[in-house]
Amino acid sequence: GEEVAQTPKHLVRGEGQKAKLYCAPIKGHSYVFWYQQVLKNEFKFLISFQNENVFDETGMPKERFSAKCLPNSPCSLEIQATKLEDSAVYFCASSQSGKTQYFGPGTRLLVL
Amino acid sequence: AQKVTQAQTEISVVEKEDVTLDCVYETRDTTYYLFWYKQPPSGELVFLIRRNSFDEQNEISGRYSWNFQKSTSSFNFTITASQVVDSAVYFCALSINAGGTSYGKLTFGQGTILTVHP
Repeated sequence: GEEVAQTPKHLVRGEGQKAKLYCAPIKGHSYVFWYQQVLKNEFKFLISFQNENVFDETGMPKERFSAKCLPNSPCSLEIQATKLEDSAVYFCASSQSGKTQYFGPGTRLLVL
Repeated sequence: AQKVTQAQTEISVVEKEDVTLDCVYETRDTTYYLFWYKQPPSGELVFLIRRNSFDEQNEISGRYSWNFQKSTSSFNFTITASQVVDSAVYFCALSINAGGTSYGKLTFGQGTILTVHP
């Protein structure tokens, strides 16, 4: 597609439950990035992929977060055992060359 | 490590005023990109501009203009004759262009909330 698609738009989970977010990058883009936006303004990098390979995962709290980008499937970001502090908007971005990133509309996760 | 600072947390102007949003960055890398993104109240992030560290030419796009000065590590954004639709949070960001796994990763500033009143 011509835009980055993210589903769902909103997700509500009880503390300790699993959350799974999806991202379909722009067709032809080989880089995918995940960011977490908390408190409305602060962005935190989570992980990046080049095609289906993890490129940089230095921002991921690996004990509870995992992500995949498999061929012919949307990319996914999964949080096992969500915590209150995971409440945030999760943005996915894709890029053709790794330079300019185009963002999806985000998934708003609320952990109660 | 990279750092981007947007010292102006909030700016309020009246329609038709000009407004400049400041952005100062820090990086030890000599090759990098600078960006501005707009986040309107609807929440999506809209790409506005990318600037290569080797290209200090200023750029104008309609009512928008950008001033890149390496000497002061600044990449400021000016909106001329502001309109109510310009009301949004504006983010400045940086990515390094060197090889390695940090390539492409964006470091964002804290954002500037711009409110344009009719």
